[in-house]
Amino acid sequence: TQLLEQSPQFLSIQEGENLTVYCNSSSVFSSLQWYRQEPGEGPVLLVTVVTGGEVKKLKRLTFQFGDARKDSSLHITAAQPGDTGLYLCAGEPLVNFNKFYFGSGTKLNVKP
Amino acid sequence: SAVISQKPSRDICQRGTSLTIQCQVDSQVTMMFWYRQQPGQSLTLIATANQGSEATYESGFVIDKFPISRPNLTFSTLTVSNMSPEDSSIYLCSVEGGVRQASYNEQFFGPGTRLTVL
Repeated sequence: TQLLEQSPQFLSIQEGENLTVYCNSSSVFSSLQWYRQEPGEGPVLLVTVVTGGEVKKLKRLTFQFGDARKDSSLHITAAQPGDTGLYLCAGEPLVNFNKFYFGSGTKLNVKP
Repeated sequence: SAVISQKPSRDICQRGTSLTIQCQVDSQVTMMFWYRQQPGQSLTLIATANQGSEATYESGFVIDKFPISRPNLTFSTLTVSNMSPEDSSIYLCSVEGGVRQASYNEQFFGPGTRLTVL
């Protein structure tokens, strides 16, 4: 079983639409990270959230960390074809510091 | 963030052979990690490599199959031994970037090595 569950697994939308990706767990994390990965490349870190209830914005991307630090969401406003890629969340558990567990991934396709 | 390079970027190998993947970082780092990823899927941690000690392997991965070297603070290798088609995957190295005066860490990834075993 996966420590972090991501949903949805696949998302195909039109340019200009909004979307939300969820990352859920029954474990508590000291921090949670979101990555985007394009074919043939390694994952690129987008943001790290640390405090329960924290909200961070990166242009059209909004990241939220749950109050209990067990879940997170990524919201994209007015998606663009350049947002296409594999989105991964990764958590650093409280009880296993320095080890990161990855979610199952969300493959996003934004059609022009 | 650290700049990480991997060699080779891709390879096609015959069953039963071994391949060594190199990971080079542009700065000294304490912890390096090796992951495996099926195309389009999530990452699975193989092992953690610390300089000056044996690598720590995750459940399902053993040293005989995936020997790791960590000769210094900027370099590591992962060998995929006695390969079979099931080993076809993308292999990624990453490094931990501790955020100064913070209670959390961040990871930065190399570009990956795409391995195909025939």
